[in-house]
Amino acid sequence: KQEVTQIPAALSVPEGENLVLNCSFTDSAIYNLQWFRQDPGKGLTSLLLIQSSQREQTSGRLNASLDKSSGRSTLYIAASQPGDSATYLCAVRTTNAGKSTFGDGTTLTVKP
Amino acid sequence: GAVVSQHPSWVICKSGTSVKIECRSLDFQATTMFWYRQFPKQSLMLMATSNEGSKATYEQGVEKDKFLINHASLTLSTLTVTSAHPEDSSFYICSRFYTDTQYFGPGTRLTVL
Repeated sequence: KQEVTQIPAALSVPEGENLVLNCSFTDSAIYNLQWFRQDPGKGLTSLLLIQSSQREQTSGRLNASLDKSSGRSTLYIAASQPGDSATYLCAVRTTNAGKSTFGDGTTLTVKP
Repeated sequence: GAVVSQHPSWVICKSGTSVKIECRSLDFQATTMFWYRQFPKQSLMLMATSNEGSKATYEQGVEKDKFLINHASLTLSTLTVTSAHPEDSSFYICSRFYTDTQYFGPGTRLTVL
């Protein structure tokens, strides 16, 4: 059974800092991994999707990496802004028809 | 990307009543949709997989008679919480996949008094 862990559970940084969020999974035979952002009381917004054959994906100030052999993914946020404050979740899919397994998320606070 | 809507965005009901939540895939047809619930400061818990034209697949521990799912068309799935009780108060979110990316609706906040 796939298990997904996100560390740390919460993170507070001053504006402008670069930061890394971690996601680890127990079964390395994954189909893809997706990072989401969730604002309080809202649904999830897709940030980046990494297929199992890929090592990283980039979108603006966000960069996600994937190391299947070690069962890890990181989300790098450059030059953080207060608007980046949210909960970030990663989700792992084992097959193309399978359901996603979510981590518990990292709640990020960026202080002005 | 795919656009998923939910209605209502929030609902308050009395204990013992039933509440229906709609999830619509606005721009693409969806043969499969997913229903999650989320408690405060917790992650998402998959409740069931909604299959167009057939029965939903429920996760272990989810009461299928309490959480009725209907997927009558390729753009609409509904979740009905029957005989709701205060412990059913939660945030319910639906989702669907499009080209491997999972898209979520905005969620429905249910409060049972």
